[in-house]
Amino acid sequence: DAGVTQSPTHLIKTRGQQVTLRCSPKSGHDTVSWYQQALGQGPQFIFQYYEEEERQRGNFPDRFSGHQFPNYSSELNVNALLLGDSALYLCASSTDADSSYEQYFGPGTRLTVT
Amino acid sequence: ELKVEQNPLFLSMQEGKNYTIYCNYSTTSDRLYWYRQDPGKSLESLFVLLSNGAVKQEGRLMASLDTKARLSTLHITAAVHDLSATYFCAVDETYGGATNKLIFGTGTLLAVQP
Repeated sequence: DAGVTQSPTHLIKTRGQQVTLRCSPKSGHDTVSWYQQALGQGPQFIFQYYEEEERQRGNFPDRFSGHQFPNYSSELNVNALLLGDSALYLCASSTDADSSYEQYFGPGTRLTVT
Repeated sequence: ELKVEQNPLFLSMQEGKNYTIYCNYSTTSDRLYWYRQDPGKSLESLFVLLSNGAVKQEGRLMASLDTKARLSTLHITAAVHDLSATYFCAVDETYGGATNKLIFGTGTLLAVQP
């Protein structure tokens, strides 16, 4: 049973560019959440997708957008990259059918903006 | 706005010793999670605590939750070097709801010395 997968593993972009990160949830999960983890800090919630809609959003600017596909996989898009966007981006999947709502995290995408 | 604080931020301990990491949160919640993160890696789920008085144990780690005090503890018994990692607590901001927006603490970097 595959867990949460993310691609790419690493990415280097230049300021002002745009980036797309991808996530496939654990089998049986229908909810995908995205988090940003800067070096030395705890993860920060970006947004959550359920039934192809954004269900919750954290305090991130509109430059951060996402999408969920019918197969529950998800993309995170960041426009007009800033140096401060350099971080580990984590995708987590879950299902409301599990009363613990436990989130399972993928390996992450390390984004470096130069 | 939910805030989650962990202490200590850094813990250096000798093998064989016991210690406790504390996680305080500011508003009512009914779901708290503990994660482990090794350097450069993603988050590994350790414990899910869903009710007042919940206690979970796995090996040398034991976690508890006091929802009235808004406090969770992660107790380490007879530490070994393999436990060296960063430990995060995360609290679900969505009290009683289906969406689980996790707010993470600052993390505790645990270094177990021989």
